[in-house]
Parts: sequence; structure tokens; C-alpha cells
Amino acid sequence: QQPVQSPQAVILREGEDAVINCSSSKALYSVHWYRQKHGEAPVFLMILLKGGEQKGHEKISASFNEKKQQSSLYLTASQLSYSGTYFCGTVPPNDYKLSFGAGTTVTVRA
Amino acid sequence: SQTIHQWPATLVQPVGSPLSLECTVEGTSNPNLYWYRQAAGRGLQLLFYSVGIGQISSEVPQNLSASRPQDRQFILSSKKLLLSDSGFYLCAWGSLGGHHGYTFGSGTRLTVV
Repeated sequence: QQPVQSPQAVILREGEDAVINCSSSKALYSVHWYRQKHGEAPVFLMILLKGGEQKGHEKISASFNEKKQQSSLYLTASQLSYSGTYFCGTVPPNDYKLSFGAGTTVTVRA
Repeated sequence: SQTIHQWPATLVQPVGSPLSLECTVEGTSNPNLYWYRQAAGRGLQLLFYSVGIGQISSEVPQNLSASRPQDRQFILSSKKLLLSDSGFYLCAWGSLGGHHGYTFGSGTRLTVV
């Protein structure tokens, strides 16, 4: 079962903030976040394993609400390098299957 | 350190021809291995995953198949390609539990003509 991501796309000016949401209809063991630049492979950003866990990567952080089966990715004080498509991936309990959402395209402009 | 190799980088094949894409991982043992396909401008569709030699789980019924003949080798195959098989094919590996995230290969861009 693929997670649902929102919004589909977001346009930011440098220094602005954004939130990307990811939700699942099923229980989750972990949530992954990846960023893909055009024409390249996705790159791992972070993984969240526990409910309420928050992690950070540069000025990019994420939270995981296990009860609501939701995760959010926070882009703070965005930089041009943050442009790309962000994917959340979810792994159900007792499984190894990583399923991705449809992605959120982030464009950061000067 | 662990590395993942995927080849070829690009491939143009006629409809009805066979396909074989190879992925190998170095620097780790017993990795979980995955094949994903990405259509132009779309998300990542999980095709197959494997937790060990000879163990393959298929996610999407189609004319593709996967094999894992060795611990660190994962092969994606087709006997007869369709136009709809065009896309960006990505191999990925993760450790047991995936606690360190999954690492993707550089991908194969397949165009079926």
C-alpha cells in the first residue's frame, strides 16, 4: 500500500519554509525520506523509527506520528540546493517492503 | 564502504526483445535488494524485492522477472519487452531492518522502441 504525499508541488523563495506530509492507511514500522534531483537516483535523507521521533539533516527535519500513521518533512530557511523531488517511503511492521509515495516537487527560487 | 553498481546506464531495445539488467553490491553481506521502476515524471514503483539468495517477492504482475543467484547480485529480466516497459530502473539495497536507509544505484534508463 503506497503512502499518500501532499502537496504535489511547492514553489519557494530562498529562505522560506515548507512542510511535506506523508500518510499511510496501515500501521508503520518506519518512515524514510529521500530527495531526487532531476535525472539522478534518489538519495537517502533520514529514517524515523519511533512514534514522535524527530530527526534532522542540515535544516531539513522530520517527525513521525506513529498513532496517526503520518510523517512530515520540514524544510527550514530553504536553499537553492533543496530543489528536487522528495519522496517518503514506508515500511510496515514485520516486513522489508519499502513503498514510496508519488513525490513532492520542490522548487526553490532565488 | 558499501557500494552498489548498476548497468548499463542507458539502453534502447526493440519491442519483443529480451532484457537483462544487473545490480551488484559490494562491502556488505546479506543485503535486502530491491528493483524499482520510475516512469517519466512519476513516482517509484516497487517491482521486486529479495531478502536472500533465491528469495524473490513480486509486487506487480507483469512480464518482468527477477533473480538473485548470489548474495550480492540481483538481476531483472524480461523475455519480451513491451513499449510500457520503458522507464528508469533503479536497484537499491538496505541492511536488515533498513535502519540506515536504502542506497540506490545510478539507474538504467530503458527506452523500448
